[in-house]
Amino acid sequence: DAGVIQSPRHEVTEMGQEVTLRCKPISGHDYLFWYRQTMMRGLELLIYFNNNVPIDDSGMPEDRFSAKMPNASFSTLKIQPSEPRDSAVYFCASSLRGRSGNTIYFGEGSWLTVV
Amino acid sequence: AQKITQTQPGMFVQEKEAVTLDCTYDTSDQSYGLFWYKQPSSGEMIFLIYQGSYDEQNATEGRYSLNFQKARKSANLVISASQLGDSAMYFCAMREPNTGTASKLTFGTGTRLQVTL
Repeated sequence: DAGVIQSPRHEVTEMGQEVTLRCKPISGHDYLFWYRQTMMRGLELLIYFNNNVPIDDSGMPEDRFSAKMPNASFSTLKIQPSEPRDSAVYFCASSLRGRSGNTIYFGEGSWLTVV
Repeated sequence: AQKITQTQPGMFVQEKEAVTLDCTYDTSDQSYGLFWYKQPSSGEMIFLIYQGSYDEQNATEGRYSLNFQKARKSANLVISASQLGDSAMYFCAMREPNTGTASKLTFGTGTRLQVTL
């Protein structure tokens, strides 16, 4: 079975540019999560969706960040405008409620560098 | 307050030996889940093992086992017969107290394991 698929794997962009990260969750999963990993703060939950509906976006750092899930098989995380402090690894993850304690499966991550 | 504590920033183990990575957690909820993930240098997060708070037996998955001590609020990961490929960062995580809809994970700071010859 295909896992969580993220794109791009690596992105280098200039400060002020818009960045869009994409995610395809595991087919049939009803939860989708966006996490960010930095050396300073570790792994942080940014936002998560249940059945395509945003449930908790309290981890989104500021208005420059937005996330959408237009259908069950696709989600985007957008940063506009990007800043150097946004440089991090962004993980998309998905889970299915009721399976193994709602185990969350991660994608390979999108490594973002803002210069 | 930190919910997940991993006190070992780094560990070394010799190939073929067993190693225990420590994890303690803090919750007042009775229903929760504990997870371990592996992050190799390539960066992906790989799910290893899960333990539910009501599970009576310690979870095992191949060479991985979870030493779950509920009263002490600890969920240590034991890797038996270490291999060079086990060298990675290991994260302990807890599914936050059950609200009926939430399924979020809170992560510890991780332990970097280095397997030596």
